[in-house]
Amino acid sequence: GQSLEQPSEVTAVEGAIVQINCTYQTSGFYGLSWYQQHDGGAPTFLSYNALDGLEETGRFSSFLSRSDSYGYLLLQELQMKDSASYFCAVCGNYGQNFVFGPGTRLSVLP
Amino acid sequence: DAGVTQSPTHLIKTRGQQVTLRCSPKSGHDTVSWYQQALGQGPQFIFQYYEEEERQRGNFPDRFSGHQFPNYSSELNVNALLLGDSALYLCASSLAGTSSGFTDTQYFGPGTRLTVL
Repeated sequence: GQSLEQPSEVTAVEGAIVQINCTYQTSGFYGLSWYQQHDGGAPTFLSYNALDGLEETGRFSSFLSRSDSYGYLLLQELQMKDSASYFCAVCGNYGQNFVFGPGTRLSVLP
Repeated sequence: DAGVTQSPTHLIKTRGQQVTLRCSPKSGHDTVSWYQQALGQGPQFIFQYYEEEERQRGNFPDRFSGHQFPNYSSELNVNALLLGDSALYLCASSLAGTSSGFTDTQYFGPGTRLTVL
């Protein structure tokens, strides 16, 4: 089967940097994605890593280590609007399945 | 450019009833995936449709079925509703073609909130 672990909650202040970790277990790994979901809203795609290394998109960066089955999402220059739930998701089973993690609730304080 | 749309937004049913949820993908997208999201949890993959056929399926019983139409829109049907089926049902579209449909960016609709009494 496939499983993912991520912290349930993270709190940080405006302007700070926060890292949300994700560890996964899967066979036939294809890639790791990150999604943001505000309360009452739909998940929004943030990033996708298929290869080891860091992908940067504006204030958000995502990292993947396939050998460690580990990835993280790095959010810089935090803003109040970044308060949301963040989900990692793994595409596994050679592209046949897509499993979301339990989510990390980020609270950004003034 | 319209994004992913879903209807209805809210639905209340009783145990044993049947329900149909609808999804129109983002313009130009050919692949539709359905997810169930219980309160406080991550979305769970139900199944994916491409070229009017179910291409992948998650760990959901046969009570959950779907359909994709030639215009790429899709329906999710749930029979013999249980209390545990109460959740937010999300539709996501992507332009996958022959790829898995998951490695491309998925665009999610606002969801349908189903309550089973």
